[in-house]
Amino acid sequence: QVQVQESGPGVVKPSETLSLTCTVSGDSITNYYWSWIRQSPGKGLEWIGYMYHSGTTNYNPSLKSRVTMSIDTSKNQFSLRLSSVTAADTAVFYCATGSRQVDVFDIWGQGTTVSVSS
Amino acid sequence: QSVLSQPPSVSGTPGQRVTISCSGGFSNIGSNAVHWYQQLPGMAPKLLIYSTSYRPSGVPDRISGSKSGTSASLAISGLQSEDEADYYCAAWDDSLKGHVVFGGGTKLTVL
Repeated sequence: QVQVQESGPGVVKPSETLSLTCTVSGDSITNYYWSWIRQSPGKGLEWIGYMYHSGTTNYNPSLKSRVTMSIDTSKNQFSLRLSSVTAADTAVFYCATGSRQVDVFDIWGQGTTVSVSS
Repeated sequence: QSVLSQPPSVSGTPGQRVTISCSGGFSNIGSNAVHWYQQLPGMAPKLLIYSTSYRPSGVPDRISGSKSGTSASLAISGLQSEDEADYYCAAWDDSLKGHVVFGGGTKLTVL
């Protein structure tokens, strides 16, 4: 069974770039579409985007100008970069995927909290 | 403001049946399947219903999903204390080259 674990810096300064990594175990990263989903404190879920190992990406239109995703198949890792962060980007970030279809997430990481603060 | 609209909260007593609504538009619920997630406090979301009405293995059959037009519903019968959680609907939206949209979430309280 595939498992995922997010990792990141914890705190990022305003205007800087947030970088997160999702490490995949139990299966090849090439077998799934990979998404990042975030949840601001006390708020709902927001899909950031997905990527496939072929290089195919699809980003949330509201974040597209600031988002870059990448996959390292040699390390079985999936990464997110979010530029020009503000306090509004403070959230728990989840790495998620599924075996059914690209918009169904039945595998989630535990999430990593990122605070944007000077 | 979420693209899909859910009531902020619903409540019920043990054994009761409750429903959570999810309202969208033609580009999302009206054209695509709806999925539901349960999030317990401090935990990652868990897939509860996919493709509008299908349950993943391990989800009890007292939980069901349905859709009509641009609205969907999640029903939980035989309410139990462990059902107290936040519930989110989600769907693919065909607008702007396509993307995933979520509802704002509904807090279910078991009285």
